[in-house]
Amino acid sequence: QKEVEQNSGPLSVPEGAIASLNCTYSDRGSQSFFWYRQYSGKSPELIMFIYSNGDKEDGRFTAQLNKASQYVSLLIRDSQPSDSATYLCAVKISGGYNKLIFGAGTRLAVHP
Amino acid sequence: DVKVTQSSRYLVKRTGEKVFLECVQDMDHENMFWYRQDPGLGLRLIYFSYDVKMKEKGDIPEGYSVSREKKERFSLILESASTNQTSMYLCASSFPGEGLKLFFGSGTQLSVL
Repeated sequence: QKEVEQNSGPLSVPEGAIASLNCTYSDRGSQSFFWYRQYSGKSPELIMFIYSNGDKEDGRFTAQLNKASQYVSLLIRDSQPSDSATYLCAVKISGGYNKLIFGAGTRLAVHP
Repeated sequence: DVKVTQSSRYLVKRTGEKVFLECVQDMDHENMFWYRQDPGLGLRLIYFSYDVKMKEKGDIPEGYSVSREKKERFSLILESASTNQTSMYLCASSFPGEGLKLFFGSGTQLSVL
């Protein structure tokens, strides 16, 4: 069974700090990685995706991928209370057609 | 903006009933998916479809079936609802070749009593 692991949290950070969310995956052949944000009572929305090793930045968000270590992370700079949500890591597994495996999510709480 | 519409936000059914969950997308996406989300377990794939009349089993297809007669519509069917199917059901769609960037509907919270 191919797996995606995340710390469930909650991860509590003060406003203005950097929040670091981590994800590991078991399928070494995975090529595509996604971060979804889910506010309480809402559906997930895509905020970042990364396909290559290294960093990818989009505004306050940076996705980091290390395929050798099977590790993907999301950094949120200058965290705001509006960033408080559950962040889901998703991995497109190899050998299967269009299958994303999701982690259980990390709950982030940004306090003023 | 992509719009994925699920027919009901909340649904209460009795054990043994046949349940239909409907999903419609307006962006001409080829791929459509049904997930269920349970606390601590994350999203688990039930079924997906990459074309009209095509379907593939996901990780937890038991007790479910699907129908895709038109490109924009993907239905999830619980043949005989059971209490362990109480869950949040999320429909999603995506273009092919876009690395699976999913657009989700607002979800249906199903309670089976």
